[in-house]
Amino acid sequence: NAGVTQTPKFQVLKTGQSMTLQCAQDMNHNSMYWYRQDPGMGLRLIYYSASEGTTDKGEVPNGYNVSRLNKREFSLRLESAAPSQTSVYFCASSVDRDNYGYTFGSGTRLTVV
Amino acid sequence: DQQVKQNSPSLSVQEGRISILNCDYTNSMFDYFLWYKKYPAEGPTFLISISSIKDKNEDGRFTVFLNKSAKHLSLHIVPSQPGDSAVYFCAASAVYGGSQGNLIFGKGTKLSVKP
Repeated sequence: NAGVTQTPKFQVLKTGQSMTLQCAQDMNHNSMYWYRQDPGMGLRLIYYSASEGTTDKGEVPNGYNVSRLNKREFSLRLESAAPSQTSVYFCASSVDRDNYGYTFGSGTRLTVV
Repeated sequence: DQQVKQNSPSLSVQEGRISILNCDYTNSMFDYFLWYKKYPAEGPTFLISISSIKDKNEDGRFTVFLNKSAKHLSLHIVPSQPGDSAVYFCAASAVYGGSQGNLIFGKGTKLSVKP
């Protein structure tokens, strides 16, 4: 049972490059989320998708775009990477928006130089 | 302004003793609280939660206490085990306009349980 799978696990980008972080869940969850974790900052919500076909901004959406491709997949795109986007990115899913027993992926460590 | 505060970045406890992790919040609209545990190179995992209508919730060795008047909650681990060594995040949510809001996380407390 894979749960939430994130790819890649590590990535180094040059400033201005673009990339897409992939996330897929196999638990038939309706809601999916993207968080970033920075040292001493806890987890901050970037974007979320309450259900297939919907996406909404979280606390720190600037510089990111998302796509809920289908019920299983929720991708995060950086169009023009900046050093301030160096972080660990976590994807999570839950049965629905009212269920906070989130299942998190193992994270993507992104460095922008 | 930080709405969920974990003021102790780290805590060290001897195996078998009690670990107490603290969390304070400022938003009086928060009505649901959770603790997540995170090991290095892994994603956080849900540990235990409590609704604002309760003041205590227990699950095995883990108990969460909520003091609404003080806007304070704590996680007690008894007895502590070396495998409990991890970063613990406190999180909270509120209902806005009939809809549950997003989880707000604290910065985390790194617990080290020494054999």
